[in-house]
Amino acid sequence: EPEVTQTPSHQVTQMGQEVILRCVPISNHLYFYWYRQILGQKVEFLVSFYNNEISEKSEIFDDQFSVERPDGSNFTLKIRSTKLEDSAMYFCASSAPGELFFGEGSRLTVL
Amino acid sequence: AQSVTQLDSQVPVFEEAPVELRCNYSSSVSVYLFWYVQYPNQGLQLLLKYLSGSTLVKGINGFEAEFNKSQTSFHLRKPSVHISDTAEYFCAVSDRAGTYKYIFGTGTRLKVLA
Repeated sequence: EPEVTQTPSHQVTQMGQEVILRCVPISNHLYFYWYRQILGQKVEFLVSFYNNEISEKSEIFDDQFSVERPDGSNFTLKIRSTKLEDSAMYFCASSAPGELFFGEGSRLTVL
Repeated sequence: AQSVTQLDSQVPVFEEAPVELRCNYSSSVSVYLFWYVQYPNQGLQLLLKYLSGSTLVKGINGFEAEFNKSQTSFHLRKPSVHISDTAEYFCAVSDRAGTYKYIFGTGTRLKVLA
């Protein structure tokens, strides 16, 4: 069964460092997403991406964040200068009409 | 814009008892509805979904949910819970057009007691 894969599963970084989280969406899906879950809290929408551009973003997705689809398979989330409050689980998802398929998540710990 | 309300942050229930986890949504357009389960330190696992058709939806692990359009609800039920059902449960809503993004509720922690 096709699935969304994310790397790394866990990353520890120092405050102020750049981080790139990678995702391989399901191959025939057209919409891609990043979500964030701070420990013990709800899952929050960050950004959606369609046709090689951002289609929607939340207020969380400020100038520190960027997304890219550098080739035909990967979908990346970059955090330019990490802050302590960026520590969270980041979920990638891709969509067939009406249903999102989530990856297992990348846990980011900012020290 | 859509929103989801899960009024119960925690629900304790004894093993083999029935449980209902409540979810209400708000939307100006037609929606898709979902329930996800999250075990500690794990990802999101789809329990069940309502896209169209029958309003009673059956999912994995013996869970079911009923879509009630007039009450804008999508409550999750299980007739007899097990210790292994202890987890966080999230309700989510998505619009039927546009970007299909999900809006999640704040979650309900189900704790099954022996």
